[in-house]
This record gives sequence, structure tokens and C-alpha cells, in this order.
Amino acid sequence: GAGVSQTPSNKVTEKGKYVELRCDPISGHTALYWYRQSLGQGPEFLIYFQGTGAADDSGLPNDRFFAVRPEGSVSTLKIQRTERGDSAVYLCASGEILAGSNEQFFGPGTRLTVL
Amino acid sequence: SQQGEEDPQALSIQEGENATMNCSYKTSINNLQWYRQNSGRGLVHLILIRSNEREKHSGRLRVTLDTSKKSSSLLITASRAADTASYFCAGREEYGNKLVFGAGTILRVKS
Repeated sequence: GAGVSQTPSNKVTEKGKYVELRCDPISGHTALYWYRQSLGQGPEFLIYFQGTGAADDSGLPNDRFFAVRPEGSVSTLKIQRTERGDSAVYLCASGEILAGSNEQFFGPGTRLTVL
Repeated sequence: SQQGEEDPQALSIQEGENATMNCSYKTSINNLQWYRQNSGRGLVHLILIRSNEREKHSGRLRVTLDTSKKSSSLLITASRAADTASYFCAGREEYGNKLVFGAGTILRVKS
């Protein structure tokens, strides 16, 4: 009955390195979302999965960002050749798709710092 | 880029007072949701109002929605120190499932 979990909670890396951020959604939720939040701003949408497939990846900033959800549960956000501008809190959310609803349950986030 | 704008950006009130935060959005939405966030992490869903609703209550929360003005307000009555947090509105776009968040209002309730 746990909520959405994300690992690691903090990640410090050097410019140019590759990172993977993991999200464990609430069991049974078919929809999974990734958002990025910079300091002092609201979350910005990155990508949304319905089951295993990416239903909307319009928020990914460039081709260095990629996300997968191979079995329709756990998702991994992958960032290649990290840049200092990638530093932010990466939030994952899960939920069900219901007409007129779409409540999303958020995890605690991964704080990524690129030095 | 974010579509929503919220005002005020920051609000400081005394415990027991009411807090009102406003949100404006740009595109057509299916519903509008308010979230709370403590310490820059973990958004918590507070309340959802559908596009065909004008007002909704939940405990000490009251949300209004004016689709003609593309705006919403969140009222927290009888505020408590524990209400200190950032509050965000988020619109679910009419054709899609992603949420588009505003920049948020930082609320500080002094005891």
C-alpha cells in the first residue's frame, strides 16, 4: 500500500556523465508521469506512459533525455551527457486515467545536481 | 513552458486568518487541481474541480473556477502554522493527460 517511491533521493554527478533515475509507481496504476522542477518554479511535464508505451513525450527537452517502462510498472528516466542546466528535482507521479479526473500521486522526487 | 500564473507569489499571514491564492491559465482544460508541496518535494493533491463546476469545498478548502476568465482561486480558512507550504494549481489539458502547473504561491502562516 506504499505510495510512489523514487530512488535515489539525491544524486550528484559531474558534467558529461550518464544518470538513471528510478520510479516505482503505486501498484496497479497504469499511468506514470515524469516532471522536472527547478528551484522556485512549478513542475514541468516531461513524459507520460500509459502501460509500457510513452503516450506523450512532448516535454522531453532534447534527445539526451529518455525514459522507459518495459513492464508497465517501474520506470527509469535516463539522462546522457548531463549538463549543469539539468540540475533540478525530478518528480514521478502515477495514477489512473478516468474521465474528468486524472488525479496524480507524486513521489518525493530525486534531487539531481550536476557539477 | 508553464502556462499557469499564480498570485501572489508569496503570502504571509497570522494563524487563524484566511489565505486566498489565485491562478490563471491559458489553454482549455478538462479540470483544474491544486497541490501542496513542503520543502521542495512531494506534491500532495488537495482538491480537483472539473471544468463544468464553479465551486467546490473540502474541509477548510474552497476552490472556485471561472472558465470564462480562465482563472481559479484557492481559499484556506482558519489557517494553521502547519499550512505553511507552497501551493500550485495544475490544469489538465482538454485533450491529453498531462498537468500544466503554475509557478506556485509560497504561503507562510505565523503562529
